[in-house]
Amino acid sequence: DGGITQSPKYLFRKEGQNVTLSCEQNLNHDAMYWYRQDPGQGLRLIYYSQIVNDFQKGDIAEGYSVSREKKESFPLTVTSAQKNPTAFYLCASSITIQETQYFGPGTRLLVL
Amino acid sequence: QKEVEQNSGPLSVPEGAIASLNCTYSDRSSQSFFWYRQYSGKSPELIMSIYSNGDKEDGRFTAQLNKASQYVSLLIRDSQPSDSATYLCAVLPQGGSEKLVFGKGTKLTVNP
Repeated sequence: DGGITQSPKYLFRKEGQNVTLSCEQNLNHDAMYWYRQDPGQGLRLIYYSQIVNDFQKGDIAEGYSVSREKKESFPLTVTSAQKNPTAFYLCASSITIQETQYFGPGTRLLVL
Repeated sequence: QKEVEQNSGPLSVPEGAIASLNCTYSDRSSQSFFWYRQYSGKSPELIMSIYSNGDKEDGRFTAQLNKASQYVSLLIRDSQPSDSATYLCAVLPQGGSEKLVFGKGTKLTVNP
């Protein structure tokens, strides 16, 4: 069953804590993306990766970090430097960067 | 900066009516156009793609593209309450390093 999985569905972060959001795909897609969505707002690109071992900053990369060690996986770390992390985080993938994107179910991050 | 503009709405239509969602884009070289549907609290799902001028029909959905006017629209015939969602327009500019640009979405409410 092909698709994109994100875990956990809900994540709680304490003050000063780093947390990591998981994104896995078995679609054999080269490109992967992380977006942030705030209530009633559009998608904002955090980071994207065109290929394994390569990634670029999006529009709002500050306070976030990523890695792309495997084609299937693109984890996002929300660091303590991100002062307002409460949002819905969406992972997406595409065959290449020039193709349409498919989304995972999302992770909702809340601050305690 | 490549931009995709949508009326944020909300757009409210009665059940059975035609809902018309509009989108304009700034990059004249754009070649591929997509509509995503996002239910409240869920991730976006791809519902239509269009690449050539004219109309493309899929069930109750029709996508319309006018590249000269840099305009793409989505018509939903016989609207149902289950169509109530936010609809995101996405445009892919031409160029090897380009990626999808999303509009902020139009919220549609179909009233029974």
